[in-house]
Formats: sequence, structure tokens, C-alpha cells
Amino acid sequence: AQSVSQHNHHVILSEAASLELGCNYSYGGTVNLFWYVQYPGQHLQLLLKYFSGDPLVKGIKGFEAEFIKSKFSFNLRKPSVQWSDTAEYFCAVNGNIPTFGRGTSLIVHP
Amino acid sequence: ETGVTQTPRHLVMGMTNKKSLKCEQHLGHNAMYWYKQSAKKPLELMFVYSLEERVENNSVPSRFSPECPNSSHLFLHLHTLQPEDSALYLCASSQEPDYEQYFGPGTRLTVT
Repeated sequence: AQSVSQHNHHVILSEAASLELGCNYSYGGTVNLFWYVQYPGQHLQLLLKYFSGDPLVKGIKGFEAEFIKSKFSFNLRKPSVQWSDTAEYFCAVNGNIPTFGRGTSLIVHP
Repeated sequence: ETGVTQTPRHLVMGMTNKKSLKCEQHLGHNAMYWYKQSAKKPLELMFVYSLEERVENNSVPSRFSPECPNSSHLFLHLHTLQPEDSALYLCASSQEPDYEQYFGPGTRLTVT
């Protein structure tokens, strides 16, 4: 069965700190990988995606993620976070069906 | 209106009631989804429709009944729900079943 694990459930950072959120999945076949973000009071929306090609993908608002096939990982990074990045972040995998991780709550203090 | 819309935004119902949730997508997508989002749990996929045909039913209790009359509309019919069914129900759509999804704002359901 397909599964997604997000290791950090709650992260608290100060502005300008660097961010890395871990995501690992289990699935034996080809997958499409996604990070979604949910800002307070807003819909879930796509942050970035990986289908094929360059394993380092860039998304909106300075976020990037790296697909490491050998580690079944798709970690999200941002070199310098802002207060406006405060949100819930979800990793998702689609091999046979879409599967989401539990989410990581990020709070950025100004 | 653009994107994915859901009505109602809030719903309170008794355990013996019958109600329906509605979702509409204005994006020309071929796939639509129902998810359940409960506190401290991963987003749970309930149903997937592709070109109006159900392709996935993730072992959802029969008190939840989906309907997809066309590629733009998706319903979730509810009857004899339990208090543990209280949650945020999200609808989403995508161009194809394995592409990125676009989510609606959700319906906050409370079962009393």
C-alpha cells in the first residue's frame, strides 16, 4: 500500500531562518510528487510538483523540493522564511491513488 | 466564478437526517475527488471520479453516497451519519487522475 510520512508535525522558526520539511513515501512504482500549502483561512493550494526530469524542482514563493529516488524522499526547502509562510504544509504522492501526509504546521515569528 | 466551489460551507445535521454536499469545478478538469479532513489525521481520500466514472472507493461506509452527473459536478449524499463523521469535507479536481489537484474551500460538517 502507498503511504506518506511527514516527520515534522510542528515547526517554529524566526524570520530569515532556513526551512527543511521532510517527506518520505512508500510505493514501488513510478510516482508523481507534490507539496501543497494551506494558509490560515484559505484553500489547500499547490506549492510545487515533480513528475519527471530534474529532481530539484522550484515552486512558488521561493520554495524548492528535491526528489531523491533512492531514499524515497521529497523534502521541501526554503533558504529564508518569512512571517507570511506561516501555514500548514502537506506532502502528497500519486502512484496509484493520491495519498497525503499528516501535514506540518509551520509558524514563523517576525 | 472560478476554481472549485462547494456548498454549503457549514452544515449541522442530526443522525437521522439526509443531506447532500455539492461541488462544482469551473476548470474543465476530467477528475474529481472527495476527501475527509479530520483534526490530527491525514487527509483521507473517499472517492475518485474520472470522466464521470468512479475509479476509486476507499472503503467508505455506505452512509456516504457519491454522485457525479457530469464532469463539472460532484455530490456527496449523506444519511444516518454518526458523530465521528463530523469533519471538513473537501472536494478537489484535476486535469487527469494523477495530476495536481485544485481544492475547494470545504464543507464543515457537524453531526449531532
